[in-house]
Amino acid sequence: EAQVTQNPRYLITVTGKKLTVTCSQNMNHEYMSWYRQDPGLGLRQIYYSMNVEVTDKGDVPEGYKVSRKEKRNFPLILESPSPNQTSLYFCASSYRTWDTEAFFGQGTRLTVV
Amino acid sequence: GQQLNQSPQSMFIQEGEDVSMNCTSSSIFNTWLWYKQDPGEGPVLLIALYKAGELTSNGRLTAQFGITRKDSFLNISASIPSDVGIYFCAGQSKSQGAQKLVFGQGTRLTINP
Repeated sequence: EAQVTQNPRYLITVTGKKLTVTCSQNMNHEYMSWYRQDPGLGLRQIYYSMNVEVTDKGDVPEGYKVSRKEKRNFPLILESPSPNQTSLYFCASSYRTWDTEAFFGQGTRLTVV
Repeated sequence: GQQLNQSPQSMFIQEGEDVSMNCTSSSIFNTWLWYKQDPGEGPVLLIALYKAGELTSNGRLTAQFGITRKDSFLNISASIPSDVGIYFCAGQSKSQGAQKLVFGQGTRLTINP
């Protein structure tokens, strides 16, 4: 089954404790992206990757890092999480650019206390 | 970063009613997309529009790419309980590069049986 898998689905952590949210897709997609969803703001892009070892900042990259060492995986790293990073996070992938259908993961609800 | 203005932000309707929502932008988009997000899930693509003036249907859903390329609307006819969820518009413009997708704030649809 074609899918984008995020882990964990829920996470509560404390300020400053480094964490990683994993994202994996099994469709051999070149393009992957991370979004955060906040009430009243829709989805905002954090980082994207057009292929292995090619990543770039989206609209809200501050406080986040990503890596793309393999085509299927695109982890999101919070080196020192803060309460304003409490949000619902989505990973997405598509074959190439956004001219083709994007597949979203089920989301990771992160709470930073 | 650029955002789309999506309205209304929420709708409360009776089952069987028709629904209409729209998105506007201050700049031109080359692609308009409409997604639906069910509770606890990631967004799923409903309709993609690639050409100004294009009118596309998917079952009870109809979406149009505005002639000015700065707006789009989504209609749902004869709503049913499974239509409940959050609907997002998204646009892609060449000026921002093919890799960036901009989302509206979402329209939360609630249906009274």
